[in-house]
Amino acid sequence: AQSVTQLDSQVPVFEEAPVELRCNYSSSVSVYLFWYVQYPNQGLQLLLKYLSGSTLVKGINGFEAEFNKSQTSFHLRKPSVHISDTAEYFCAVIRADSWGKLQFGAGTQVVVTP
Amino acid sequence: SQTIHQWPATLVQPVGSPLSLECTVEGTSNPNLYWYRQAAGRGLQLLFYSVGIGQISSEVPQNLSASRPQDRQFILSSKKLLLSDSGFYLCAWSDGNHPYEQYFGPGTRLTVT
Repeated sequence: AQSVTQLDSQVPVFEEAPVELRCNYSSSVSVYLFWYVQYPNQGLQLLLKYLSGSTLVKGINGFEAEFNKSQTSFHLRKPSVHISDTAEYFCAVIRADSWGKLQFGAGTQVVVTP
Repeated sequence: SQTIHQWPATLVQPVGSPLSLECTVEGTSNPNLYWYRQAAGRGLQLLFYSVGIGQISSEVPQNLSASRPQDRQFILSSKKLLLSDSGFYLCAWSDGNHPYEQYFGPGTRLTVT
């Protein structure tokens, strides 16, 4: 079995401040890791992914994430947020043996204020 | 480039009525197709996936069904809606050779009254 835990349900942050969204997973086999963003009443957009290779992954809109196998974490960071980053962020995993079945965390709502 | 469409965008249906949601993908062939549901308090849940025409796998037992009558068309149906079917339904696709990168449609907001 596997599970994905996003430790914060909501993260308030001021504009131009850094933000970190935490994600931990549990799995008995190797996993592929993803972060998606969802703006209100829209579908999900892929921010970044880790499939293999370098553990520091850069994505769109200035986001990056680091895969830490020993801590089973894949935290998302941005050094300076904009108002437009207000959205819900989902961490997701796919087991290496499960062909493409995404399992999502509960989501973290980021609210950026001036 | 590839695009994915879903309709309708919003839908209000009474309990016990039928349902048909449609998803189509353009700009690719033989995609993998997925239906997810996002419901309050239950997060995002994979409902069905398909690797080809007529090939449907169900992840969660429920009163919903899916069909793939054409290569780039995926339909979600129900004969009788329940209140618990309310939610945001998302269709997604991935390249047949790269199932790990999924791209989502704009979604359908379903309210069952």
